[in-house]
Amino acid sequence: GAGVSQTPSNKVTEKGKYVELRCDPISGHTALYWYRQSLGQGPEFLIYFQGTGAADDSGLPNDRFFAVRPEGSVSTLKIQRTERGDSAVYLCASSLRGLAGLTDTQYFGPGTRLTVL
Amino acid sequence: KQEVTQIPAALSVPEGENLVLNCSFTDSAIYNLQWFRQDPGKGLTSLLLIQSSQREQTSGRLNASLDKSSGRSTLYIAASQPGDSATYLCAVSGNFNKFYFGSGTKLNVKP
Repeated sequence: GAGVSQTPSNKVTEKGKYVELRCDPISGHTALYWYRQSLGQGPEFLIYFQGTGAADDSGLPNDRFFAVRPEGSVSTLKIQRTERGDSAVYLCASSLRGLAGLTDTQYFGPGTRLTVL
Repeated sequence: KQEVTQIPAALSVPEGENLVLNCSFTDSAIYNLQWFRQDPGKGLTSLLLIQSSQREQTSGRLNASLDKSSGRSTLYIAASQPGDSATYLCAVSGNFNKFYFGSGTKLNVKP
């Protein structure tokens, strides 16, 4: 079946602009995660959704970053007043359950490469 | 905060060699550990997941071990092939399965 998809694959924007990044998880997966990966580094956790609610948003770097998942499926990561330091690959992952104390494999999308000029 | 370290940062071996990638983590209170593969410009592909109660997992030429008490994991790749060239990431999960990743080991298998 289809995997996790992310759009756009590349996004170039100017400093100060607003951007939205979209993630379509695997159908039926209740857990959705956003990560950010800077060049030469491993992904860094941003936010985790269980269904429609953000169960853990402790990784969001500041209040310019916000994410939603209104129907428990597609999620959008929103970045206001972008800065050059926001340039990175933004990865989305989903898993079947993701409940505390349970473990299941996270499946990652190909990422959105964001470049802030 | 959980810190994950991977050694070496880069590794180049001739085809056919067996090799070991290392991962260490500072907080042993993990739920599971997962090894991923990342190809340039691509997302992550899960290779092996070891639950905290397990000590190892095997898939084909790959074997991953976990020593939770010492905060270490190894990924063993047998009979390496040029197609194994990629960056290998180790990640440990805490509460809610959010992952803490290492910076990866970039592997190059020469034909």
